Amino acid sequence: AQTVTQSQPEMSVQEAETVTLSCTYDTSESDYYLFWYKQPPSRQMILVIRQEAYKQQNATENRFSVNFQKAAKSFSLKISDSQLGDAAMYFCAYRNPYNNDMRFGAGTRLTVKP
Amino acid sequence: NAGVTQTPKFQVLKTGQSMTLQCAQDMNHNSMYWYRQDPGMGLRLIYYSASEGTTDKGEVPNGYNVSRLNKREFSLRLESAAPSQTSVYFCASVIPTGRGYEQYFGPGTRLTVT
Repeated sequence: AQTVTQSQPEMSVQEAETVTLSCTYDTSESDYYLFWYKQPPSRQMILVIRQEAYKQQNATENRFSVNFQKAAKSFSLKISDSQLGDAAMYFCAYRNPYNNDMRFGAGTRLTVKP
Repeated sequence: NAGVTQTPKFQVLKTGQSMTLQCAQDMNHNSMYWYRQDPGMGLRLIYYSASEGTTDKGEVPNGYNVSRLNKREFSLRLESAAPSQTSVYFCASVIPTGRGYEQYFGPGTRLTVT
């Protein structure tokens, strides 16, 4: 079964600085999708960024970018120019396109210090 | 366009009681999911429905049943609630896109079983 591991329960960053959140996963599939979701205190799950495994190029969405290392099964999220509004729980997720299974990591709580 | 709606938002049950969590989406998506989120953990997939009339077990299906009533609605039933089912429950609908999959989450239902 696929598993997703986030080894950092908590991280903090100074406003305007850069922070990287780690995620590793385990799968025997060659094709799959990876996601980072943000969950603020409102509990709403918000998609931050996604990566298709067949694409070598790392995905980027404004201040958010990923470092996707397929061989190492690593998928880290980099947040540049951190803002107070970035403070939230961040979840890494894996989707198996063959059986529709979704797996989430346990999350990383990000604090942004002014 | 309301997206994904869930009812109720909050519920308290006694051990052994039954209830049904309702989920509806107005985006004409084929796939719908039920997750639970426990403190300190990411979302875990309970059941999913790839299309109307089909349902499949996810990672943690024990103690739950689901019904895909039609394309819009996907309900989750607890036949005999247990304290271990105290959790926040999220429904989501999924649509394939040119960039993989887009998953839309409902606001969640906080369930407490005493």
